[in-house]
Amino acid sequence: GQQLNQSPQSMFIQEGEDVSMNCTSSSIFNTWLWYKQEPGEGPVLLIALYKAGELTSNGRLTAQFGITRKDSFLNISASIPSDVGIYFCAGQLTSGTYKYIFGTGTRLKVLA
Amino acid sequence: GAVVSQHPSRVICKSGTSVKIECRSLDFQATTMFWYRQFPKQSLMLMATSNEGSKATYEQGVEKDKFLINHASLTLSTLTVTSAHPEDSSFYICSAALTGPTEAFFGQGTRLTVV
Repeated sequence: GQQLNQSPQSMFIQEGEDVSMNCTSSSIFNTWLWYKQEPGEGPVLLIALYKAGELTSNGRLTAQFGITRKDSFLNISASIPSDVGIYFCAGQLTSGTYKYIFGTGTRLKVLA
Repeated sequence: GAVVSQHPSRVICKSGTSVKIECRSLDFQATTMFWYRQFPKQSLMLMATSNEGSKATYEQGVEKDKFLINHASLTLSTLTVTSAHPEDSSFYICSAALTGPTEAFFGQGTRLTVV
């Protein structure tokens, strides 16, 4: 199935550090979503982006919808231990079923 | 965000039997529901998209006769894994959304183990 390229695949960082991850695609999307998933749970929506160039924050999280509509990044500032988890981007196709295609995921581990 | 409830959260079944998983949107009417499958340490792979009152659209490589999807109302979609085999063991997740460019909200997932 289709997947978006997400990087990095995994990150080990010290508590207090900033984190950046991104997703790229060869397709154009009209919506970018960022989710966090913890073991054995479904993904939880963090940020939704609807317009090219849009920059949106949710607490310590900031995400941007790329100008080309083919990419997005997520930043986490001043990471804390509970930020541990897998972060997924999801792009929504521009027409038809409006289905969401997920990125490959970034596994984040925070060292206290 | 909106609440999507998935049931059961875990199920173990014998090979050859069928299993039904329910996905409910509790506080909004979902015109579209999506079913995903997730293998350990991998991303979510879209299986099918279902719209209320119409047949589901399956992704390439997903057997429609094996994974039966019914979206009978704006708040309920079901996925039935028919004649389950051990290779069908996986984490199945549903999500619900309004039509068009909007957020999708996820259920908590169902861990299916076929023995």
